[in-house]
Amino acid sequence: GDSVTQMEGPVTLSEEAFLTINCTYTATGYPSLFWYVQYPGEGLQLLLKATKADDKGSNKGFEATYRKETTSFHLEKGSVQVSDSAVYFCALSDYGNNRLAFGKGNQVVVIP
Amino acid sequence: DTGVSQDPRHKITKRGQNVTFRCDPISEHNRLYWYRQTLGQGPEFLTYFQNEAQLEKSRLLSDRFSAERPKGSFSTLEIQRTEQGDSAMYLCASSSRLEGLNEQFFGPGTRLTVL
Repeated sequence: GDSVTQMEGPVTLSEEAFLTINCTYTATGYPSLFWYVQYPGEGLQLLLKATKADDKGSNKGFEATYRKETTSFHLEKGSVQVSDSAVYFCALSDYGNNRLAFGKGNQVVVIP
Repeated sequence: DTGVSQDPRHKITKRGQNVTFRCDPISEHNRLYWYRQTLGQGPEFLTYFQNEAQLEKSRLLSDRFSAERPKGSFSTLEIQRTEQGDSAMYLCASSSRLEGLNEQFFGPGTRLTVL
């Protein structure tokens, strides 16, 4: 079935550092890909999305490119802020399938 | 637009009791989803409605779980004879196919603790 794999473990980095969170997926069709963010005490929010190969999703300085050849959708930000501290989830929705399949999430802690 | 709302936000119950959660989707969203999220994991799909019809159920949804969306607006999720393993965050989301991509908007969740 469809699945998403995120890199293991929390990510701790200093303010203004470069952030990368790896995400790979397995899908039988041509999925749409998403990154959701969960700030402390809040619900899941859509951060960015991409619907087809080579699409780049971007929002709030974050970017991710849909790479069909490597089945990946890595999240990047060039200069993180303390306010970016949150849990980040990669997810996919396959064509004709109405459910989202999520990865386990990565806790990101940005230290001043 | 008030977003997706869920009630209650927290529920503590004793094992064996029944609990019911409510979700109010974004108005005019015809699709509604329930997910469950346990600590350290991503949300897992439970079930999905289009209008009032329940179109898909996960194997995670045992016979102790039942969901309804009687008038195609709000939805309820009931868990009967709760078990400690039911302790989790229950998330509701809604979407509208008319918006193109099936983008789901999530509520704040109901945290269930079964003692």
